[in-house]
Amino acid sequence: ETGVTQSPTHLIKTRGQQVTLRCSSQSGHNTVSWYQQALGQGPQFIFQYYREEENGRGNFPPRFSGLQFPNYSSELNVNALELDDSALYLCASSWTGTDTQYFGPGTRLTVL
Amino acid sequence: KQEVTQIPAALSVPEGENLVLNCSFTDSAIYNLQWFRQDPGKGLTSLLLIQSSQREQTSGRLNASLDKSSGRSTLYIAASQPGDSATYLCAVRHNSGAGSYQLTFGKGTKLSVIP
Repeated sequence: ETGVTQSPTHLIKTRGQQVTLRCSSQSGHNTVSWYQQALGQGPQFIFQYYREEENGRGNFPPRFSGLQFPNYSSELNVNALELDDSALYLCASSWTGTDTQYFGPGTRLTVL
Repeated sequence: KQEVTQIPAALSVPEGENLVLNCSFTDSAIYNLQWFRQDPGKGLTSLLLIQSSQREQTSGRLNASLDKSSGRSTLYIAASQPGDSATYLCAVRHNSGAGSYQLTFGKGTKLSVIP
């Protein structure tokens, strides 16, 4: 049991809408990363937050944004949804000084 | 830009067989390499993590090796079981700095173990 939870499990949106996905990290984990996994592909790094600030970003446009809160929960926001945003979104949390990242079960987003 | 390739994309074996999954990466300046397991529609479970200074790691029936200079890693599964059926992902971490956990993943190998 990793202790990382994500909500919702599934959701369906239409093109152009906005969506917020949530991740609750393990207690004390001060780093959270978000990944997008399209069907049949490996996860792609979106961005990472460390102590509530973004400190790394993959090749994703600005309409992908995030927040990390003092209690180490976090959000991924996606504006102006496109059909290609349909994917499994994974968050992973970790504690500085360790190598282990704990992945949540993911949120399956479908954009119609 | 780091690229991670996994071969084969899919593999089907009879129960009890030993098997090897392959992973290659283009930039040898990695901090560590991990093998993950993913069941359909689920999150990732870390199986083995090898630091860049290590050559191999073992856990039960699993053994992972790393040849950083040639950009290769293998995951060896002994005496495969139907419960091993899943997609296996290889990922490399680039940096060791605080808060720098970015991983680059391969596309995975989908393993089916036939009873």
